[in-house]
Amino acid sequence: AQTVTQSQPEMSVQEAETVTLSCTYDTSESDYYLFWYKQPPSRQMILVIRQEAYKQQNATENRFSVNFQKAAKSFSLKISDSQLGDAAMYFCAYRSRIGGSGSRLTFGEGTQLTVNP
Amino acid sequence: SQTIHQWPATLVQPVGSPLSLECTVEGTSNPNLYWYRQAAGRGLQLLFYSVGIGQISSEVPQNLSASRPQDRQFILSSKKLLLSDSGFYLCAWNLGENTGELFFGEGSRLTVL
Repeated sequence: AQTVTQSQPEMSVQEAETVTLSCTYDTSESDYYLFWYKQPPSRQMILVIRQEAYKQQNATENRFSVNFQKAAKSFSLKISDSQLGDAAMYFCAYRSRIGGSGSRLTFGEGTQLTVNP
Repeated sequence: SQTIHQWPATLVQPVGSPLSLECTVEGTSNPNLYWYRQAAGRGLQLLFYSVGIGQISSEVPQNLSASRPQDRQFILSSKKLLLSDSGFYLCAWNLGENTGELFFGEGSRLTVL
């Protein structure tokens, strides 16, 4: 079974600075998806960024980018120019690309990010 | 566009009482549907998923059950709630052949007293 590990329960960053959240995963599959979700105090889960394992290029969405190291099974999220609105719980998630069985996501335990003004 | 709604948003129930949380997806057909639970300050635990009407798979044995009476309706139930059932419940959906992400509802906070 796949597992996702986020080793940083809490992180903090100064406004306008850069922060990197870590995520590692364990799988025997070669093709899969990886995601970062954000859960603000409102508790609504919001997709931040996705990466397809067969793509070597790291995904980027505005101030958010990932460092995908397939061999190391590492998928870190970098937030540049941090804003107060970035404060939230961030979850790393894995999904097999193999269809069927609900195509469910496996989530890490989350990293609580605090942005200091 | 697709939307997902779940209700009620907040629920306070006594131990031993029944539970029914409902989730509805609009704007798509034959979605995969999921119920996740999130304990305070923790990650998401998959409880049930469904790939079609009447098809339910359980991930964790417990006193909860799920049903899918219609294509875009997913219900989480319990006959007798336990204190340990307290938490934040999230409904989600995706399509089997899309980019893989899950789309989440607003969540339902359940407190069992």
